[in-house]
Amino acid sequence: QQPVQSPQAVILREGEDAVINCSSSKALYSVHWYRQKHGEAPVFLMILLKGGEQKGHEKISASFNEKKQQSSLYLTASQLSYSGTYFCGTEKRNSGYALNFGKGTSLLVTP
Amino acid sequence: ETGVTQTPRHLVMGMTNKKSLKCEQHLGHNAMYWYKQSAKKPLELMFVYNFKEQTENNSVPSRFSPECPNSSHLFLHLHTLQPEDSALYLCASSQDSLTDTQYFGPGTRLTVL
Repeated sequence: QQPVQSPQAVILREGEDAVINCSSSKALYSVHWYRQKHGEAPVFLMILLKGGEQKGHEKISASFNEKKQQSSLYLTASQLSYSGTYFCGTEKRNSGYALNFGKGTSLLVTP
Repeated sequence: ETGVTQTPRHLVMGMTNKKSLKCEQHLGHNAMYWYKQSAKKPLELMFVYNFKEQTENNSVPSRFSPECPNSSHLFLHLHTLQPEDSALYLCASSQDSLTDTQYFGPGTRLTVL
């Protein structure tokens, strides 16, 4: 049930773009994206809901392909502050709440 | 961000001890969560409380016992833990459900000897 994230790690130069993917083998209700810096708590980035509604508050975009059970996070014109580990969490809505997280993608932006 | 606070920030305990972790949110949210983050495993959702009622426990061992006396406070009672329970325990809250933005506390770093 754990989603699979790719790539595992990526190194960028400041200003470059990156895409992080999250795939599930199960039908999804929503996909959550978080960023965590070393020694800090995760910070919410975005939630994508089945049916197309998207909730987020940062200058980062994402897509949710329900048929493919896949989400992608797009980081454009990366900044040094984007460095950290990105987690996706996938939610199925069956008899209750369940949120399963991927192992994370480590992103390093260099000057 | 001081919306969600957790105490203690660090805890070392023996396997026979009983301790409790505390979480408090000042955001007026109705849902609160406990997560476990281990070094070599993905983030794990342990418990979900919505309007003070537990709705999900994800098959967590009974040595972890949550308590939610009101929508602002969440506790995690620990007893007879194992060394593999050593991890960062994170509390989070959201307005009403998992599809609302979750705000995390700083976590409690737990070490079980």
